[in-house]
Amino acid sequence: QSVLTQPPSVSAAPGQKVTISCSGSSSNIGNNYVSWYQQLPGTAPKLLIYDNNKRPSEIPDRFSGSKSGTSATLGITGLQTGDEADYYCGTWDSSLKVVFGGGTKLTVL
Amino acid sequence: EVQLVESGGGLVEPGRSLRLSCAASGFTFGDFAMHWVRQAPGKGLEWVSGIRWKSDRTAYADSVKGRFTISRDNAKNSLYLQMNSLKTEDTAYYYCTKGPYGDYDDVDFHHWGQGTLVTVSS
Repeated sequence: QSVLTQPPSVSAAPGQKVTISCSGSSSNIGNNYVSWYQQLPGTAPKLLIYDNNKRPSEIPDRFSGSKSGTSATLGITGLQTGDEADYYCGTWDSSLKVVFGGGTKLTVL
Repeated sequence: EVQLVESGGGLVEPGRSLRLSCAASGFTFGDFAMHWVRQAPGKGLEWVSGIRWKSDRTAYADSVKGRFTISRDNAKNSLYLQMNSLKTEDTAYYYCTKGPYGDYDDVDFHHWGQGTLVTVSS
């Protein structure tokens, strides 16, 4: 059972928008920055969002992040078939460890 | 260019030990915290351990505490994970990843290795 809660799967049509939620508590999301990762099959995770809403320079602005209280959200607009992947949220927990969500599988219909 | 290359994975029997290594290049290794993250086949990401830039503090997941030891050699630009008393549930790909600064309390993992597979089975 993961400390951070994500929906197991989401889906949307090409060109549409999708959001993925990540729910935690005051010991993790509530008091720390959140990062989001994309993992394509057979590859290492790739950082999409850090510090709640910042994008590395190579990540397109179709990807966005936000945080409110003890929850965070990843948004993806203009969905492409290449966006089909597993997405994970992560943050620091006051119990002195890194915690990840269980992952969300995105299907682009 | 930042590069992280893991090695040392393989097949090992339950109860035995294994030592993973991560060779780093393309950045000043001694300035940054480092972490190990694992992923069992078909499962999600699980953080294993982190170490501060000067090795004065380490942190572990409850699932490996007392069995695994993280260490680093800044002179050799290398990170290690000594895994003892291995269990079948330790079977996973183990990734080395770099923190954004010297302390390990930030989860901005911009750079990851390709992973090394550890299989614990009799």
